[in-house]
Amino acid sequence: DADVTQTPRNRITKTGKRIMLECSQTKGHDRMYWYRQDPGLGLRLIYYSFDVKDINKGEISDGYSVSRQAQAKFSLSLESAIPNQTALYFCATSDSGQGQETQYFGPGTRLLVL
Amino acid sequence: AQKVTQAQTEISVVEKEDVTLDCVYETRDTTYYLFWYKQPPSGELVFLIRRNSFDEQNEISGRYSWNFQKSTSSFNFTITASQVVDSAVYFCALSSFTGNQFYFGTGTSLTVIP
Repeated sequence: DADVTQTPRNRITKTGKRIMLECSQTKGHDRMYWYRQDPGLGLRLIYYSFDVKDINKGEISDGYSVSRQAQAKFSLSLESAIPNQTALYFCATSDSGQGQETQYFGPGTRLLVL
Repeated sequence: AQKVTQAQTEISVVEKEDVTLDCVYETRDTTYYLFWYKQPPSGELVFLIRRNSFDEQNEISGRYSWNFQKSTSSFNFTITASQVVDSAVYFCALSSFTGNQFYFGTGTSLTVIP
């Protein structure tokens, strides 16, 4: 089984709808992240969390919210989806502590907002 | 400011040719980490290598090799005797010592022609 899973893998929604993307991990890592990938722009950080009680905004948090329900679960919500949120979304995890900075990514969720 | 530049947007090579993917970074940190990830057509992000700023020793792993030069702030990736399966988008990334944020380049799309 994959260490980092994302659901759904693909989603089509309409402008104004609320949607949630979910991420689960079995790696036992403390840290979790949400990124979006757009063609030509690489990956940009949306939110990150270092433990269950810690939530931090990334580079592009506007229009998004997150919830860290448990160490292993980190969900991303689009309260009112808009077309320019069409992108490939990745969840990632990393362990805490020095030397553990490598991030491991889930398979991605392709979101299309019409 | 932290920044990663991958100036090569797209590269095409014929199978068995060697190819080097360039990565130049900017950081004010004295301690940091550099990474390469591979994104095949299926979309997932695969971790390839991590390097810390104290270790400038080049690394070789099979057909892959990495050249880290602090003097030029570069962390280049060479694939020797390229194969069709190497066709992918490759991302270079930079993180601080605390690892709380990753900064990705915009990626280099490599196509290996049979």
